Amino acid sequence: DGGITQSPKYLFRKEGQNVTLSCEQNLNHDAMYWYRQDPGQGLRLIYYSQIVNDFQKGDIAEGYSVSREKKESFPLTVTSAQKNPTAFYLCASSIGSGQETQYFGPGTRLLVL
Amino acid sequence: GENVEQHPSTLSVQEGDSAVIKCTYSDSASNYFPWYKQELGKRPQLIIDIRSNVGEKKDQRIAVTLNKTAKHFSLHITETQPEDSAVYFCAARNNDMRFGAGTRLTVKP
Repeated sequence: DGGITQSPKYLFRKEGQNVTLSCEQNLNHDAMYWYRQDPGQGLRLIYYSQIVNDFQKGDIAEGYSVSREKKESFPLTVTSAQKNPTAFYLCASSIGSGQETQYFGPGTRLLVL
Repeated sequence: GENVEQHPSTLSVQEGDSAVIKCTYSDSASNYFPWYKQELGKRPQLIIDIRSNVGEKKDQRIAVTLNKTAKHFSLHITETQPEDSAVYFCAARNNDMRFGAGTRLTVKP
């Protein structure tokens, strides 16, 4: 899982501001995912992409947007429509979208000013 | 869709004892069940996984069992050590991966 990087490690958002979290992988994985983790809770799926130029909403997509223009990159934008964005955001990737293992990036902690 | 429940939410054991964490899932079509360990502020790390054609898998002090009929699977850690202290997540996958809420394991020296 060392082939997945996320930046920045910490991110501060002001009211009404859109912010973008970066996720890059050099594992040649087709599938990529974004999860949100709140304190004391499990991981909830925001968006996932099985292939370049295609992505699907997860359970909590409202207030978020993604793009998948390149195989190695899957950035997540937290829009101003997301009223409670403070959380730990984890990106993951897998070879495909079947029984393959998901490997996680180091995460980005988003805080609201 | 899939729903995964995990118990207990917290678990405290003495060093050297065994720890067992249990999960149930709802979607009988789920066919892949990984377990992740997450230390504070860090990424989840895969520690063991099992596929639906296998009933048990072991890797040194860690083992996972799967009961497809009952739709539950368990993580067993033997001879626990303080460095096993972390939050453990189970997950089940059919089309999407669904995670349990996590178990905070504390191993007391």
